[in-house]
Amino acid sequence: EPEVTQTPSHQVTQMGQEVILRCVPISNHLYFYWYRQILGQKVEFLVSFYNNEISEKSEIFDDQFSVERPDGSNFTLKIRSTKLEDSAMYFCASSEMGGPSDTQYFGPGTRLTVL
Amino acid sequence: GQNIDQPTEMTATEGAIVQINCTYQTSGFNGLFWYQQHAGEAPTFLSYNVLDGLEEKGRFSSFLSRSKGYSYLLLKELQMKDSASYLCAVTSGAAGNKLTFGGGTRVLVKP
Repeated sequence: EPEVTQTPSHQVTQMGQEVILRCVPISNHLYFYWYRQILGQKVEFLVSFYNNEISEKSEIFDDQFSVERPDGSNFTLKIRSTKLEDSAMYFCASSEMGGPSDTQYFGPGTRLTVL
Repeated sequence: GQNIDQPTEMTATEGAIVQINCTYQTSGFNGLFWYQQHAGEAPTFLSYNVLDGLEEKGRFSSFLSRSKGYSYLLLKELQMKDSASYLCAVTSGAAGNKLTFGGGTRVLVKP
């Protein structure tokens, strides 16, 4: 069964450094998403992406964050100048279409630790 | 704004039934998803409701009442592997595909 994959599984970085989290969505899916989950808290929407454009973003997704589809398979989340409060599990998800009933399939996550 | 409430934790016995309630207040509601999340893992899809009523899928069923802003997930014939967090999430937003999650209900299945 096709899966969303993410690398790395765990990233440790120093405060102020830039990190890039990578995702390979399911191959025939057109919509891509990033969510984050701070330890012990709820899963939070960051951004949705379609046709090489951001379609929606949350208030969390400020100028520190950016997303890109650099090629036909990868989808990345870049965090510039990381802060301690960016420490969280970051989940990538994809859906075949972007409708409200379309199931989003989540990757295994990247645990980001900012020291 | 969005507000989704579910109990924090529930305990049940293997073989029993557990019902996890979720209430929501949201603008632009489209539909409601239930996901299962084992500790340290990704959420995995369980069910989707858009119309009022019950959706049954094997041991798991989900119910929705749009007028009451209420849903529940019913887990029957509980197994030890069902110990996990169960996340209620609604879709809304301009594109209709933004998932807003509740805090999750941690279910502990005891032998």
